[in-house]
Amino acid sequence: EDKVVQSPLSLVVHEGDTVTLNCSYEVTNFRSLLWYKQEKKAPTFLFMLTSSGIEKKSGRLSSILDKKELFSILNITATQTGDSAVYLCAVSPLNYGGSQGNLIFGKGTKLSVKP
Amino acid sequence: SQTIHQWPATLVQPVGSPLSLECTVEGTSNPNLYWYRQAAGRGLQLLFYSVGIGQISSEVPQNLSASRPQDRQFILSSKKLLLSDSGFYLCACKRSSYNEQFFGPGTRLTVL
Repeated sequence: EDKVVQSPLSLVVHEGDTVTLNCSYEVTNFRSLLWYKQEKKAPTFLFMLTSSGIEKKSGRLSSILDKKELFSILNITATQTGDSAVYLCAVSPLNYGGSQGNLIFGKGTKLSVKP
Repeated sequence: SQTIHQWPATLVQPVGSPLSLECTVEGTSNPNLYWYRQAAGRGLQLLFYSVGIGQISSEVPQNLSASRPQDRQFILSSKKLLLSDSGFYLCACKRSSYNEQFFGPGTRLTVL
């Protein structure tokens, strides 16, 4: 059965800290891995990763994929209170077909950044 | 870029009542559309997806149904709500040839 596991489930840090969120997966015919940030409502798209070893970066956030070890990490440097959210990892398996594009989500990591 | 609308934003319904949640998409044609449910403390659960008008695939058997009467309209329904139907319902959209899904603002449903 395809699955995505995120760790830790929750994390409390102080402003200025650097955090690393983990996502491991088991999926048949991997296609891509996506990271989302969910504050109070809808998840917002952060990154999509398809190739190993290529870092995606946006401001203080960065992510990298390891297709051999089947995991990805999301790094946030110099955290701010506005980074507080649930971070979701999702995997798109190729066997769902390019037209469906279904995603399998992990349960998320709840990050709380204290001032 | 696409915009996804969902309504209502919040809904409180008694057990046994019917349900109709609507999702509409602007800014793209022939998208794939998805309904997810997010229960407290749990991840996103895919309920239905649609690759075109009238084409619905169900991921989880339950008392919910979905319909796609128009290209950019996706409806989630139930004839009789259960307590376990409470949750946050999200509609998502994916453009063909892209892999990212984008989410609407969601509907928070409480069944009492």
